Amino acid sequence: TQLLEQSPQFLSIQEGENLTVYCNSSSVFSSLQWYRQEPGEGPVLLVTVVTGGEVKKLKRLTFQFGDARKDSSLHITAAQPGDTGLYLCAALSGGGADGLTFGKGTHLIIQP
Amino acid sequence: EPEVTQTPSHQVTQMGQEVILRCVPISNHLYFYWYRQILGQKVEFLVSFYNNEISEKSEIFDDQFSVERPDGSNFTLKIRSTKLEDSAMYFCASSDRRIPDTQYFGPGTRLTVL
Repeated sequence: TQLLEQSPQFLSIQEGENLTVYCNSSSVFSSLQWYRQEPGEGPVLLVTVVTGGEVKKLKRLTFQFGDARKDSSLHITAAQPGDTGLYLCAALSGGGADGLTFGKGTHLIIQP
Repeated sequence: EPEVTQTPSHQVTQMGQEVILRCVPISNHLYFYWYRQILGQKVEFLVSFYNNEISEKSEIFDDQFSVERPDGSNFTLKIRSTKLEDSAMYFCASSDRRIPDTQYFGPGTRLTVL
């Protein structure tokens, strides 16, 4: 079973600050996805990264896939209270596996 | 924008009863999934379904669980005899595999077993 370790588990910062959260594993993944989940709702897809070293930007969010495809980071610039939520990374191991393995997530709170 | 829908949003049942959770995947998607999330825990994969058959299942997906695509739009998860530990959020997801393995999730059904 591949494990995805997300850090930090909890992060509370002031509006306007920058932050980075991480998703690490000892396994190689064919692709990795970042989701955001609100309490009582389903995960909402933010991005999929596929190529080692790939960087994708979504407004103030920057996602990077590690060169070895074992880890990923999410950087938020000038965080806003609307960014508050649970950020999950999820990945497929490849080899025909269908089911995503999820991390436990980073609980992010942006204080006004 | 197309989205996955699920019904009901909340289901309460007695232990030992059968429940059917329903999902309508995104219309041009061919790959369908069920996941569950016990309160405070990680999202866990249950089963994937393609071409009218199960393509992969986790060890959680035992004989009490079954999936079906009864028509061209619905995808269902049945739990034959619910247990207290089946209480969780159940999420349906679908994918078209055009963007590798990007899975889109529904809003979930909260199942409470009493």
